[in-house]
Amino acid sequence: QQQVKQSPQSLIVQKGGISIINCAYENTAFDYFPWYQQFPGKGPALLIAIRPDVSEKKEGRFTISFNKSAKQFSLHIMDSQPGDSATYFCAARSPSNNLFFGTGTRLTVIP
Amino acid sequence: NAGVTQTPKFQVLKTGQSMTLQCAQDMNHNSMYWYRQDPGMGLRLIYYSASEGTTDKGEVPNGYNVSRLNKREFSLRLESAAPSQTSVYFCASSALRGPSSYNSPLHFGNGTRLTVT
Repeated sequence: QQQVKQSPQSLIVQKGGISIINCAYENTAFDYFPWYQQFPGKGPALLIAIRPDVSEKKEGRFTISFNKSAKQFSLHIMDSQPGDSATYFCAARSPSNNLFFGTGTRLTVIP
Repeated sequence: NAGVTQTPKFQVLKTGQSMTLQCAQDMNHNSMYWYRQDPGMGLRLIYYSASEGTTDKGEVPNGYNVSRLNKREFSLRLESAAPSQTSVYFCASSALRGPSSYNSPLHFGNGTRLTVT
């Protein structure tokens, strides 16, 4: 059973637009929520992460919004660029320190 | 620095054959991991090694064995490959593992694409 549910599966955005990817979880013991970015033929790389005591974290054009009561978090990419085209994975860390990943979102930014 | 290096990049096996996937990291990290990535499933943890000399099962350990050869190297072995093990395998490492590891992200290799026919 998927511990972290991610949507949408794929997303197409015009250059300059906002990309939004959503994730939901059930286990309230999860204590760390990273997002990873993966380019074709490469391994995932950490993009940005948030702890549950914070509602928002911003790094450049990337923002995580975290809603603890709804058990949801999302990644917003502002001013999306063709170079942002990649697969994005949300994840959540369990008390046993294992990361559970979402199923991934393939983002395509059209020039 | 090479980071996390995986070999081979590609492999085709017949059902029942065995093979070992190799992984080495040069970042002096304590913890190492093996994940598999399947379409629509995301990344799932097979085994991990919190520190040299220890290994533990992850979400999907059946059909696999691991060896933490030293601090740098962590190998994954398929004793009798099955078509269900067709996947992309990623090795990862992190400096720390545990409640204080917020600033210790996973560093992934570029994967091994394995096909079992």
